[in-house]
Amino acid sequence: GAGVSQTPSNKVTEKGKYVELRCDPISGHTALYWYRQSLGQGPEFLIYFQGTGAADDSGLPNDRFFAVRPEGSVSTLKIQRTERGDSAVYLCASSLDPHRSLASEDHGYTFGSGTRLTVV
Amino acid sequence: LAKTTQPISMDSYEGQEVNITCSHNNIATNDYITWYQQFPSQGPRFIIQGYKTKVTNEVASLFIPADRKSSTLSLPRVSLSDTAVYYCLVGPHKNQGGKLIFGQGTELSVKP
Repeated sequence: GAGVSQTPSNKVTEKGKYVELRCDPISGHTALYWYRQSLGQGPEFLIYFQGTGAADDSGLPNDRFFAVRPEGSVSTLKIQRTERGDSAVYLCASSLDPHRSLASEDHGYTFGSGTRLTVV
Repeated sequence: LAKTTQPISMDSYEGQEVNITCSHNNIATNDYITWYQQFPSQGPRFIIQGYKTKVTNEVASLFIPADRKSSTLSLPRVSLSDTAVYYCLVGPHKNQGGKLIFGQGTELSVKP
């Protein structure tokens, strides 16, 4: 597609429920990133995929959060036993292989519009 | 990773030039300086990137002094549509796999 697509755009769930957030990256982008953005804050890194594997999951806050990218394209962020503190906008980004160049313009680093998750 | 510091908010009027300065005292030799713009309900969007001296594109200019410990994003003749949050980042760093570290950003409000 032309850009990074995230679905749903909004998700309201009850505390304790399980949710899945989907990211469809730009075709051909091998790298995929998940970020979380709380109100009034900058995006916070969660996890990075290079191809199918999670190359860096150091930003995942705890073991309730998990992400997969089984075919190296679409990714799903999964949150178990949601808590009210999980409420935030979850952003996905994709890029060309970031190890090829340091410059963002060469990467084509592109963010989606995010999924706003509200846990009530 | 180098930490960045920038003003929390700025106000301006249409047609004025806006300069947002960012401090990054611990910038590493391999680090680039990158600025992103974010509108409400959208993801951040790349504006400009530089390593040293001055970079200019159709949207903005980026001024970086010789010591690279700070940088200034310059937006010429702002309009209401430039109202957004602007983030200064140091990176992406090759060893970090393109992970971006955002600070709190500067909320720019442009008034008529």
